[in-house]
Amino acid sequence: LAKTTQPISMDSYEGQEVNITCSHNNIATNDYITWYQQFPSQGPRFIIQGYKTKVTNEVASLFIPADRKSSTLSLPRVSLSDTAVYYCLVGVVNTGNQFYFGTGTSLTVIP
Amino acid sequence: NAGVTQTPKFRILKIGQSMTLQCAQDMNHNYMYWYRQDPGMGLKLIYYSVGAGITDKGEVPNGYNVSRSTTEDFPLRLELAAPSQTSVYFCASSYLSGPRELFFGSGTQLSVL
Repeated sequence: LAKTTQPISMDSYEGQEVNITCSHNNIATNDYITWYQQFPSQGPRFIIQGYKTKVTNEVASLFIPADRKSSTLSLPRVSLSDTAVYYCLVGVVNTGNQFYFGTGTSLTVIP
Repeated sequence: NAGVTQTPKFRILKIGQSMTLQCAQDMNHNYMYWYRQDPGMGLKLIYYSVGAGITDKGEVPNGYNVSRSTTEDFPLRLELAAPSQTSVYFCASSYLSGPRELFFGSGTQLSVL
């Protein structure tokens, strides 16, 4: 299983774009990259998933370079309610069920 | 749909006591998981199940047992509670295998004193 490395914490002002990078140097050919968001006292919530290039949904964008050894979660114009811990996971989508959460990145949005 | 329901929300145990954390999902998901989250840390996989009657160990299975007699229920059993098991426990389920489709419950906060 590919190990992931993320910054422990980040601060941002309201209205700014936030980019959180995840390193996964040992990613395998069949691995997908998935991001989750966790608010205090709640379980994590799926945000976005991708395999290569760029994926965008109503919440975030995910940028994956050609070598796929890293990925960047981009949150446009953050608000106070985006204060949460963000986890990057790497694993195979359709086979295997042991996928692991790292320590995540704690994002604090400042007014 | 209620989604994933965990009970109880809070529990205090004495060292050596036993208890069962309940988890039920009403989404007809085949895959279910138990995680624990220590303060300020990420989630660690305890056990998982790919369907009724099939379970397997995750990263940190010692001190825990699970069973999966139905698709809906996936209880987690602590036989001899220890202070090291003080944590927040999350149950999750998914329709597809892999990390995309995880739906989490609201968690059980357990303290062992």
